[in-house]
Amino acid sequence: EAGVAQSPRYKIIEKRQSVAFWCNPISGHATLYWYQQILGQGPKLLIQFQNNGVVDDSQLPKDRFSAERLKGVDSTLKIQPAKLEDSAVYLCASRRGQGALMDTQYFGPGTRLTVL
Amino acid sequence: AQTVTQSQPEMSVQEAETVTLSCTYDTSESDYYLFWYKQPPSRQMILVIRQEAYKQQNATENRFSVNFQKAAKSFSLKISDSQLGDAAMYFCAYRRWDSNYQLIWGAGTKLIIKP
Repeated sequence: EAGVAQSPRYKIIEKRQSVAFWCNPISGHATLYWYQQILGQGPKLLIQFQNNGVVDDSQLPKDRFSAERLKGVDSTLKIQPAKLEDSAVYLCASRRGQGALMDTQYFGPGTRLTVL
Repeated sequence: AQTVTQSQPEMSVQEAETVTLSCTYDTSESDYYLFWYKQPPSRQMILVIRQEAYKQQNATENRFSVNFQKAAKSFSLKISDSQLGDAAMYFCAYRRWDSNYQLIWGAGTKLIIKP
């Protein structure tokens, strides 16, 4: 079974530029998460999708961040315009379904964003 | 609101010895789940072990075991016979039973293995 794929792995941009990250979850996983992980901290949930619908985006800075999951498979997270404080690793995770034994989240390798 | 605290930013252990990582959490719920995730350098986060709060028996996965003290709201991870491949950031996480499967994460503990 292929794991969660993310690209790019690394990105360096100037502040006020735009950037997009891509995630391909494990096949058949209905739930997809985007996290922001700042160095020295645990992951912070940005947005959660169930199929192609948004379950929770309460911590997504909507003035600059946007995300979509068209057709309930791949997802894209965009930042426009980027700020210095957006420097972080952006993690994508997916989960198969409902039920206590299906709550394991599978993570991608992350995208390390540096904003100069 | 629930919180998860990992009070040890960094721990080190000699290879083949045993180390315990601490985690405490704050909740008023009685039904929830607890997790330890491992994040090796430049590699993806993986689940190490999970514990259901309604189970009194401590979870075990090979060399990894937990000490779950529900009344004390403590959930420590014990790694026996430490190996070089255990070097990583370890995150403790909490999930309410009805929380849309969202996790609340601790800040992590960096584990260093000394050869």
